[in-house]
Amino acid sequence: NAGVTQTPKFRVLKTGQSMTLLCAQDMNHEYMYWYRQDPGMGLRLIHYSVGEGTTAKGEVPDGYNVSRLKKQNFLLGLESAAPSQTSVYFCASSPGLAGRYEQYFGPGTRLTVT
Amino acid sequence: AQKVTQAQTEISVVEKEDVTLDCVYETRDTTYYLFWYKQPPSGELVFLIRRNSFDEQNEISGRYSWNFQKSTSSFNFTITASQVVDSAVYFCALSGPGNAGNMLTFGGGTRLMVKP
Repeated sequence: NAGVTQTPKFRVLKTGQSMTLLCAQDMNHEYMYWYRQDPGMGLRLIHYSVGEGTTAKGEVPDGYNVSRLKKQNFLLGLESAAPSQTSVYFCASSPGLAGRYEQYFGPGTRLTVT
Repeated sequence: AQKVTQAQTEISVVEKEDVTLDCVYETRDTTYYLFWYKQPPSGELVFLIRRNSFDEQNEISGRYSWNFQKSTSSFNFTITASQVVDSAVYFCALSGPGNAGNMLTFGGGTRLMVKP
């Protein structure tokens, strides 16, 4: 039981390049989330999904796209990376509504855009 | 909109001292949930506690204790007899139907440094 895993752990991009971050969970959770963590700002929600085939915008969705084609996977895409997207990205999952259930977090992906 | 404020950005204590991390929240929801997470230097987020808005009982878990007071919208976290391994960033978070997807709204975090 690996919990929540994220690929890759580190990445450096040049401005304008694209990439996809992969999140996988093996707990059969319905809800999945992508957050970004910036210094002094805590974590902010980018996009989330309440089930396979569904996605919705969070607090800071601009510049990102997501897909949830399989229940266990939640992909975060950057089509044209910008230096402002330099951050640590965390994926999380929960079996139900985030309040009633604990969110389980992945180890994070550190992304640098130069 | 929901908001969580952790006014202390950094706290430094000497081992064995007690330390309290403050958390103040704002919400219009009548039902909501409060959380504390720990982020050690390794970077992962470790769940510490979840509290719902109807349960104002204080909780103690070993050296950790939490004081939830609805009257002051606060959910403070105390570490008794701190240890070097307690050094980490601690986040308070809030969840409720007022947030899209019941997402967690995080405070900015408090960095705790425990010196030997």
